[in-house]
Amino acid sequence: DTGVSQDPRHKITKRGQNVTFRCDPISEHNRLYWYRQTLGQGPEFLTYFQNEAQLEKSRLLSDRFSAERPKGSFSTLEIQRTEQGDSAMYLCASSFSWGQGHNLAQFFGPGTRLTVL
Amino acid sequence: DAKTTQPPSMDCAEGRAANLPCNHSTISGNEYVYWYRQIHSQGPQYIIHGLKNNETNEMASLIITEDRKSSTLILPHATLRDTAVYYCIVRGDTGNTPLVFGKGTRLSVIA
Repeated sequence: DTGVSQDPRHKITKRGQNVTFRCDPISEHNRLYWYRQTLGQGPEFLTYFQNEAQLEKSRLLSDRFSAERPKGSFSTLEIQRTEQGDSAMYLCASSFSWGQGHNLAQFFGPGTRLTVL
Repeated sequence: DAKTTQPPSMDCAEGRAANLPCNHSTISGNEYVYWYRQIHSQGPQYIIHGLKNNETNEMASLIITEDRKSSTLILPHATLRDTAVYYCIVRGDTGNTPLVFGKGTRLSVIA
């Protein structure tokens, strides 16, 4: 399977614990995006990378959230001191872009469903 | 905020064409129309996108009006597996903009 993969698929944690999610994009894709989706809503943008550089962060990304893409391949999203409001599906997407006017569709992974008790 | 308006839900009989409308009256000249769908508990799936010409692929057809203020996604022969939430998204061509999802249209294909 050469699509976007995410790990774990499900995570249950207690409030106050730290969690980390991993995303492996499609191999030739240089852009990687993180989104969050709560029940009944469409996905909301969190942050994105071009290669290893984090280029944009949403106001939704509080100080407790950090994302990395150290070698321009896989990415991790860490949430520190989780709160019940962090319960959501965390989605990763990747795409290939070679400049203005030349970008391709984003392809999504299956998501990581986080439940904070 | 999403720049598109879609009906919250639609039904379609299995085997018939499903026509999903989308209004995007404030679309700019360099913005594309993208369609994704999300089957329950899965990640969104890319369907198709277009700028001003009609587009067709193995999944669907995209019809964009001449003034580009609205579009229709057509699933020519809907099956039960097409039951999903369908999102219409307007996005610039810079490649820098993330996708802004609205609430989409929940399509139910009925046997």
